[in-house]
Amino acid sequence: EADIYQTPRYLVIGTGKKITLECSQTMGHDKMYWYQQDPGMELHLIHYSYGVNSTEKGDLSSESTVSRIRTEHFPLTLESARPSHTSQYLCASSEYIGEWGAFFGQGTRLTVV
Amino acid sequence: KQEVTQIPAALSVPEGENLVLNCSFTDSAIYNLQWFRQDPGKGLTSLLLIQSSQREQTSGRLNASLDKSSGRSTLYIAASQPGDSATYLCAVIMDSNYQLIWGAGTKLIIKP
Repeated sequence: EADIYQTPRYLVIGTGKKITLECSQTMGHDKMYWYQQDPGMELHLIHYSYGVNSTEKGDLSSESTVSRIRTEHFPLTLESARPSHTSQYLCASSEYIGEWGAFFGQGTRLTVV
Repeated sequence: KQEVTQIPAALSVPEGENLVLNCSFTDSAIYNLQWFRQDPGKGLTSLLLIQSSQREQTSGRLNASLDKSSGRSTLYIAASQPGDSATYLCAVIMDSNYQLIWGAGTKLIIKP
């Protein structure tokens, strides 16, 4: 069973607030990913990391930022939330030389009002 | 640039039928291919992983095959059940940079 956790599961927040979505994994994986997914739509990669102190932007432009200070932790931050940020955010991790593929958290459903 | 296509986009079948979901990719330089299921509003659950050197993997009623040279994978579901209703996604992990490239998914509905 995958050990990757996202908190909170659901978040409703007002416009302009700063928020941080947490993602932690206990598998020692080097690679971690953040995806954004609107209901019924495709997954879009917004950030990824190859390891500690390594972060890259993904295919979809995002106003969020990420950090990777520890292997197990990959938080995503929105400095000023807007209604257009309303979406589901999925965190994943994988081994650097993968034999076991990618594992996903349960997601954070964010609503900005 | 790798492109992953899943056909059909949606499928509705009666309970008990065997069915096949298709995934095709344009660049055969993949490290492995992974099938996931996603229930509405939830995260993704890994179903099967096929290494590029393998031809198929089985787990219970699920069987996934991989033909790397032709750029195709299939997910076979035997004796479908209403609990199989979900969206099924395939993703390839690229040899060059270990990036996941996703298909758009097949939304499966199994009618009781």
